[in-house]
Amino acid sequence: SAVISQKPSRDICQRGTSLTIQCQVDSQVTMMFWYRQQPGQSLTLIATANQGSEATYESGFVIDKFPISRPNLTFSTLTVSNMSPEDSSIYLCSVEDRRNYGYTFGSGTRLTVV
Amino acid sequence: QKEVEQNSGPLSVPEGAIASLNCTYSDRGSQSFFWYRQYSGKSPELIMFIYSNGDKEDGRFTAQLNKASQYVSLLIRDSQPSDSATYLCAVKGGGTSYGKLTFGQGTILTVHP
Repeated sequence: SAVISQKPSRDICQRGTSLTIQCQVDSQVTMMFWYRQQPGQSLTLIATANQGSEATYESGFVIDKFPISRPNLTFSTLTVSNMSPEDSSIYLCSVEDRRNYGYTFGSGTRLTVV
Repeated sequence: QKEVEQNSGPLSVPEGAIASLNCTYSDRGSQSFFWYRQYSGKSPELIMFIYSNGDKEDGRFTAQLNKASQYVSLLIRDSQPSDSATYLCAVKGGGTSYGKLTFGQGTILTVHP
């Protein structure tokens, strides 16, 4: 299956600051997905990142708050901007893995905003 | 609003028993269905996927899909304490939602010795 390297694994940030999360995939993929998992909750899709076009955001998520870059077919970043304690969550990237017909996830970034 | 609902937990079964996890979905255009296992503090890992009506077996795991009833389930036979985790049902959308996964809220499974 695809291997995703996600960084950082965790961070503690001050409110009002921004954090950029990186995902590197070991193969070229068309779409990369960014999810949020709030404490004790399931995964919620934030946006879909396509190479060469603007990311597509789900209802409730906006580009100003969660800007995404997708400079090539193996890499993407998600920035959490102007953070507040409500942004404390685990953020995960994911790709569709054509080799096993499933979706593979990065190891996640545990963000705490204080 | 496309929804995925899982049977409420937590679910507790004795070691060696069968654990049954259920999931319903609202979008009839959904194409594929996935079961993920998530250990505490870890990211989800794929257990099984299914896209045709009927049963699909892989070792101790059996996924069942009934598109007419919009229902998918996961059976874990001979449950082991190492199966204790949160199980997430995920549905891959069709049409304008192509490629996107919608997750259920998860069912916490505990297998006690």
